Amino acid sequence: DVKVTQSSRYLVKRTGEKVFLECVQDMDHENMFWYRQDPGLGLRLIYFSYDVKMKEKGDIPEGYSVSREKKERFSLILESASTNQTSMYLCASIDFRLEAFFGQGTRLTVV
Amino acid sequence: AQSVSQHNHHVILSEAASLELGCNYSYGGTVNLFWYVQYPGQHLQLLLKYFSGDPLVKGIKGFEAEFIKSKFSFNLRKPSVQWSDTAEYFCAVTALNTNAGKSTFGDGTTLTVKP
Repeated sequence: DVKVTQSSRYLVKRTGEKVFLECVQDMDHENMFWYRQDPGLGLRLIYFSYDVKMKEKGDIPEGYSVSREKKERFSLILESASTNQTSMYLCASIDFRLEAFFGQGTRLTVV
Repeated sequence: AQSVSQHNHHVILSEAASLELGCNYSYGGTVNLFWYVQYPGQHLQLLLKYFSGDPLVKGIKGFEAEFIKSKFSFNLRKPSVQWSDTAEYFCAVTALNTNAGKSTFGDGTTLTVKP
């Protein structure tokens, strides 16, 4: 089974902190994604990457950046956390058939 | 750019009732279509998918969906729901000319099945 692992299930951070969310997949997928999930808004794409060191902005990239130094790892960075970034963050990788495999999610609370 | 619309935000059914969740998308080209499910406390997982061929596709746990190209729809159905089907359901569309397989998701439908 494809496994996508997010480093934390729950995080509480203070406003202004720099926050790192880590994601690792074990199936050698090239394409990886970061979404945030909010009630009534579905999944919104923050950033995606289709190769090492390659990244593209999604629909809501403001306040975020990403890093992909190795194929299996895709990190989401909140440069200066704000309360409106309190959300569930989902990492996914996709296979050649475009099926997405999701991590368990990180629920981030910014206080 | 493509968009996905799910008609119902919250559906409440009794066990054994039939289910149909609506999904419409807007995109003029060729698409792959997916339904994902998120059970309480679990990660999102694939329920079923359509790439080509027979427009009626079957997925796990007795779910099926029908792709109607002329209506840009991909509705999810199940003849008889169970309490364990309580979950949030997301329709997703991937346009085949996008790089990296970027999917667009609907807002989700929360299904509550009463025992």
